[in-house]
Amino acid sequence: RKEVEQDPGPFNVPEGATVAFNCTYSNSASQSFFWYRQDCRKEPKLLMSVYSSGNEDGRFTAQLNRASQYISLLIRDSKLSDSATYLCVVDPGNTGKLIFGQGTTLQVKP
Amino acid sequence: DVKVTQSSRYLVKRTGEKVFLECVQDMDHENMFWYRQDPGLGLRLIYFSYDVKMKEKGDIPEGYSVSREKKERFSLILESASTNQTSMYLCASRDGSPYEQYFGPGTRLTVT
Repeated sequence: RKEVEQDPGPFNVPEGATVAFNCTYSNSASQSFFWYRQDCRKEPKLLMSVYSSGNEDGRFTAQLNRASQYISLLIRDSKLSDSATYLCVVDPGNTGKLIFGQGTTLQVKP
Repeated sequence: DVKVTQSSRYLVKRTGEKVFLECVQDMDHENMFWYRQDPGLGLRLIYFSYDVKMKEKGDIPEGYSVSREKKERFSLILESASTNQTSMYLCASRDGSPYEQYFGPGTRLTVT
């Protein structure tokens, strides 16, 4: 079993749609969680950290469910510019040794 | 803005060659990392360094070594390149806190 698992997609959605990605992790002692975004042929960039209480940044909402060991990312009112690969990332021991999921590809269409 | 630069965007080497990939960050970050990214496997950590002259193995260190003589520079060395080391190599750095890692643009290495 992979340490961090994501559905690779692709998710094809129309502009304005709401889309949700889930990610599961295997290490129940994991402390830090993130979503990174990676555009085609570009480097990953931090989208948002994920806190136990959940957090929101504009159209993006991240949730953490420790009991079920999953993380979610919700994107509302999708834009064409949201098309990218979204990487679920876990830092099991707060050491900076990040474990990456393989990514979920989102394609927003006009 | 944090800047992480890598010496080459594209590199083609022959099997058995010794290959050096260089990474430089300009934000005085203590921690630096080398990953490789392959389709279907995601990013995997090769080596990392918490400080100058310190290095620790990541998840897939076999066939690689690293050097960190100066704080801003972290080099990845392929001692004898093999075709299964054809990949995208990404360098990253971070300060101790917060935990965001800043990535360089990547080097696409092809070993023939």
